[in-house]
Amino acid sequence: GAGVSQSPSNKVTEKGKDVELRCDPISGHTALYWYRQSLGQGLEFLIYFQGNSAPDKSGLPSDRFSAERTGGSVSTLTIQRTQQEDSAVYLCASSQARGEQETQYFGPGTRLLVL
Amino acid sequence: QQPVQSPQAVILREGEDAVINCSSSKALYSVHWYRQKHGEAPVFLMILLKGGEQKGHDKISASFNEKKQQSSLYLTASQLSYSGTYFCGTELSGYSTLTFGKGTMLLVSP
Repeated sequence: GAGVSQSPSNKVTEKGKDVELRCDPISGHTALYWYRQSLGQGLEFLIYFQGNSAPDKSGLPSDRFSAERTGGSVSTLTIQRTQQEDSAVYLCASSQARGEQETQYFGPGTRLLVL
Repeated sequence: QQPVQSPQAVILREGEDAVINCSSSKALYSVHWYRQKHGEAPVFLMILLKGGEQKGHDKISASFNEKKQQSSLYLTASQLSYSGTYFCGTELSGYSTLTFGKGTMLLVSP
């Protein structure tokens, strides 16, 4: 079956512009995660959605970052007034559920470059 | 509470063994291991739950020492395909956020 897909694959934007990154999780997966990966760094947790529950936004670095998940499926991560330090790979992952059997399946990521 | 991975990088010749460690200062519920090849998405390897279990996956196995809050990933008779960055992710409870380490870069040369 289809895996997690993300679009665009690459995005180059100018400082101060807004960007939207999209994630299509695996069908049937109720949990969806966004991570940021900077060069040489680990996977930095940003936000987590589980079904209809309120999202866990504890990892969002600033109020310029927001995310939504419509209909329990597709998610959009929005970065407003982008800064150069926002340049990174943004990874989306989905899993069947949160818990001890959780296995996260990652998408290929969106490489964001802010000039 | 980011786990600490060691070493940061390791270079092996094909057929050699390696150990990658993942340590936490907090009591852990589980440890997850992923491998990411350059330019690709991280791929799940295995989950270890508290209780000191050990798991194997082909020639890649791992252990979880609950008392030390440490997990070790063992790669035996390494193959070229093992090259990549290995990440451990830790959970403090069964329903907490997964926190990843900074990764260990592994390069296997012919």
